[in-house]
Amino acid sequence: AQTVTQSQPEMSVQEAETVTLSCTYDTSESDYYLFWYKQPPSRQMILVIRQEAYKQQNATENRFSVNFQKAAKSFSLKISDSQLGDAAMYFCAYRSQETSGSRLTFGEGTQLTVNP
Amino acid sequence: EPEVTQTPSHQVTQMGQEVILRCVPISNHLYFYWYRQILGQKVEFLVSFYNNEISEKSEIFDDQFSVERPDGSNFTLKIRSTKLEDSAMYFCASSEAGQGWHEQFFGPGTRLTVL
Repeated sequence: AQTVTQSQPEMSVQEAETVTLSCTYDTSESDYYLFWYKQPPSRQMILVIRQEAYKQQNATENRFSVNFQKAAKSFSLKISDSQLGDAAMYFCAYRSQETSGSRLTFGEGTQLTVNP
Repeated sequence: EPEVTQTPSHQVTQMGQEVILRCVPISNHLYFYWYRQILGQKVEFLVSFYNNEISEKSEIFDDQFSVERPDGSNFTLKIRSTKLEDSAMYFCASSEAGQGWHEQFFGPGTRLTVL
């Protein structure tokens, strides 16, 4: 079974600064997808960014980018020019490509605080 | 923009009672999911559903739980005899297809409180 680990329960960053959230995972599969979800106080889960394991190029979505290290099974999220609206719980998630309709497996989450 | 909706937003029930949580997935989506999040913990997968059948379920999804798509729009999660430990936020999600690339869109959740 796959596992996802986020070792930073809490992080804080100053507005306009850059922060990196860590995520590691364990799998024996070669084909899979990785995601970062944001959960603001409203509790709704919002997709931030995704990465296909077969792609070496790191995904980027505006101020959000990832550092995907497949051999190390590491998938960190970098938030540049942090904004107050980025404050939320961030979850890293894994999804197999080998099974159709497969589950998302989430990490424990990292609570990000953005200080003005 | 289409979205997943869930009702009710908050459900309070007595231990041992049955509850039904309702979800309306995005209309052209074919795969449906339930997840739960106990307060302060990670989001956990319960079940996935496709073509009127369960396609995958977790060890949490025991005989107390069932899912159903009673009509063309609703997707329900039933808990037959609620326990205190069932208190959690329950999220419904849907995706256009089952391949890993396809985004699972989440609803706003139903907070279930079992007294």
